[in-house]
Amino acid sequence: SAVISQKPSRDICQRGTSLTIQCQVDSQVTMMFWYRQQPGQSLTLIATANQGSEATYESGFVIDKFPISRPNLTFSTLTVSNMSPEDSSIYLCSVDRDRNNYGYTFGSGTRLTVV
Amino acid sequence: TQLLEQSPQFLSIQEGENLTVYCNSSSVFSSLQWYRQEPGEGPVLLVTVVTGGEVKKLKRLTFQFGDARKDSSLHITAAQPGDTGLYLCAGAAGYAGGTSYGKLTFGQGTILTVHP
Repeated sequence: SAVISQKPSRDICQRGTSLTIQCQVDSQVTMMFWYRQQPGQSLTLIATANQGSEATYESGFVIDKFPISRPNLTFSTLTVSNMSPEDSSIYLCSVDRDRNNYGYTFGSGTRLTVV
Repeated sequence: TQLLEQSPQFLSIQEGENLTVYCNSSSVFSSLQWYRQEPGEGPVLLVTVVTGGEVKKLKRLTFQFGDARKDSSLHITAAQPGDTGLYLCAGAAGYAGGTSYGKLTFGQGTILTVHP
């Protein structure tokens, strides 16, 4: 199954600034998924990133706040824009392990703290 | 909106005890996936159950998918301190390439602590 390198692993940011999170996959994948894990809570899907098309966002998440790039089949970025303390979370990317919807590989996550 | 209720949220037990974690939903899932997450890491897939009534065993861990594919359980026999971690169930709707592809619904998670 795929191996994902995600960075940064953690960051502390000032409110009002933006942070870009990168995920690099060691194999080509059609779709990449971005999740948020708020403190003490479970994972919530932010958006699905397809190469060559606009990302598809879930209810409650908008492109202006969480712009996503997918320039090729092995790389994606998620930007958290105009940050507030409420954006403090762990952000994770994932890919379908075997392309059959039966299991996903996750990056190690980016722990973001907004002060 | 699909919901997956996971319980209990916290579990603190002694080494050697048995435990069961439950995930329940009113929705039907095409598969139910169980993950374990360590601090500072992403979730790691333990097992996927696909067929209603399916039972899978992974050493001391037993996973079951309900007949109607709406619920699942994880049973750990003779828990060890190395089992400590966050356990997450996740339901997958649809199939690869479908409109719901990749949209996992996660349970709230169970934080398991096994004391030596």
